[in-house]
Amino acid sequence: QQPVQSPQAVILREGEDAVINCSSSKALYSVHWYRQKHGEAPVFLMILLKGGEQKGHEKISASFNEKKQQSSLYLTASQLSYSGTYFCGSGRGNNRLAFGKGNQVVVIP
Amino acid sequence: DAGVIQSPRHEVTEMGQEVTLRCKPISGHNSLFWYRQTMMRGLELLIYFNNNVPIDDSGMPEDRFSAKMPNASFSTLKIQPSEPRDSAVYFCASSSLAGSLSSYNEQFFGPGTRLTVL
Repeated sequence: QQPVQSPQAVILREGEDAVINCSSSKALYSVHWYRQKHGEAPVFLMILLKGGEQKGHEKISASFNEKKQQSSLYLTASQLSYSGTYFCGSGRGNNRLAFGKGNQVVVIP
Repeated sequence: DAGVIQSPRHEVTEMGQEVTLRCKPISGHNSLFWYRQTMMRGLELLIYFNNNVPIDDSGMPEDRFSAKMPNASFSTLKIQPSEPRDSAVYFCASSSLAGSLSSYNEQFFGPGTRLTVL
């Protein structure tokens, strides 16, 4: 089942914070976050496996709620390099992922 | 390591022609995935292999699409005949096979092949 990502797009100034979300109507095995810059391949950020888990990657962190139906990605003190499209992927067993349609993030000076 | 290698990077062809996309996974990885990315549908899993064996091809849109993995270092995705609606970016990704069905490893994506069918 494809997870739903919101908001579709975010524009923020350098140094500002933002939150993007990934949700499903059913509990997910896991949530994976990837970032894709324009014209490039998606790059792995982090995996969350357990309900209530939180993880960080530089100033980007993520949480997985207790019911494992929603994950949020937190962009703190955003940098220009954070611009890109963020995809969440829901684990479906045996290494398979179903990706959402992405959150486009634009950081401006 | 060179990462996942895909060729060609760009392909422009005419409707009805056969198209073959190629992928070399990262050495030592034993899971390989083919994805298609479009603005409308996002990133879709077409097929994936574990240890060179196709595990799930339910994402392959039609019989016109076929994929093979003759050995651990090479895979192809073929479209025959191609149609304009096949235009998309096709990504190959590889991963180490997770230790159990409930665990996961990160996937490493290749640079993609941008396919345009006229």
